[in-house]
Amino acid sequence: DVVMTQSPLSLPVTLGQSASISCRSSQSLVNRDGNTFLNWFQQRPGQSPRRLIYKVSKRDSGVPDRFSGSGSGTDFTLQISRVEAEDVGVYYCMQGTHWPPYTFGQGTKLEIK
Amino acid sequence: DVQLVESGGGLVQPGGSLRLSCGASGFTFSSYWMSWVRQAPGKGLEWVADINQDGSKKYYVDSVKGRFTISRDNAKNSVYLEMSSLRAEDTAIYYCATDPPCGSDCYTLDFWGQGILVTVSS
Repeated sequence: DVVMTQSPLSLPVTLGQSASISCRSSQSLVNRDGNTFLNWFQQRPGQSPRRLIYKVSKRDSGVPDRFSGSGSGTDFTLQISRVEAEDVGVYYCMQGTHWPPYTFGQGTKLEIK
Repeated sequence: DVQLVESGGGLVQPGGSLRLSCGASGFTFSSYWMSWVRQAPGKGLEWVADINQDGSKKYYVDSVKGRFTISRDNAKNSVYLEMSSLRAEDTAIYYCATDPPCGSDCYTLDFWGQGILVTVSS
C-alpha cells in the first residue's frame, strides 16, 4: 500500500500569515492516464472531514481561494494564505491513484499562535 | 444538497456484531460508489470499505477482511456496514462518504456524513 507522510504534524500559525503543509507518497501518484489523484481534506474540531482539493490543485466549490494545492509525482503541498481563525483543524492528504485502498497522511494540526 | 446520515452505532462487546446504516439524499445514489471511513478516538482517518454502484464489487482494508461486509440498497438510497467479530481496535467514529464516478473527479471522497460512534468494550 502507498504510504502518505505529512509534515509538519503540528503547525502553529499567526493570524494573517501563510501556512504550508507537505505530503509525500511512497510511490508516484501519476496514473497511467496521466492524472494524479491527490486530495486534501480539512477536519475542523468536532466536525466530519470536508474535501478542499482534488486532483492536486482543483478547489472544491465554496473553498476560499486562500487554499491552494500543488505538486507532482510524490511531493505535494497545501498552501493556506492569510490564515483565519476558521482554518483551525486537522488537514489530511489522501491518495486515490493506487486505490484500493485509499490511504491518508497522519494529519497536520493547524492552530493559531 | 448532499446529505449522508449514519445510524446504528453504539456499545458492543468484543466478539459481537453491529450493523451500520447510511441514508443518502440530494444526489443520484445509484451512480456513485460509496465508502466507509473510520477514525479511532484522537487518531487519523482510515478507509475501511468501498462498494460500486450495483453492489457487485466490494473492497476492504486488510484489517477488516472476513469480518466486515459492505452492502447497499439503491431502492432505499442506503449503504450498510455489517461488522462482526468486533475488537477493541475497531472502536472509532465511522463515516460514510460518496465516491464519485469518473467524470471531472475520480478516486476521491467528495461528501461525508457526520459519523457514528462504535465502541467495542466489555
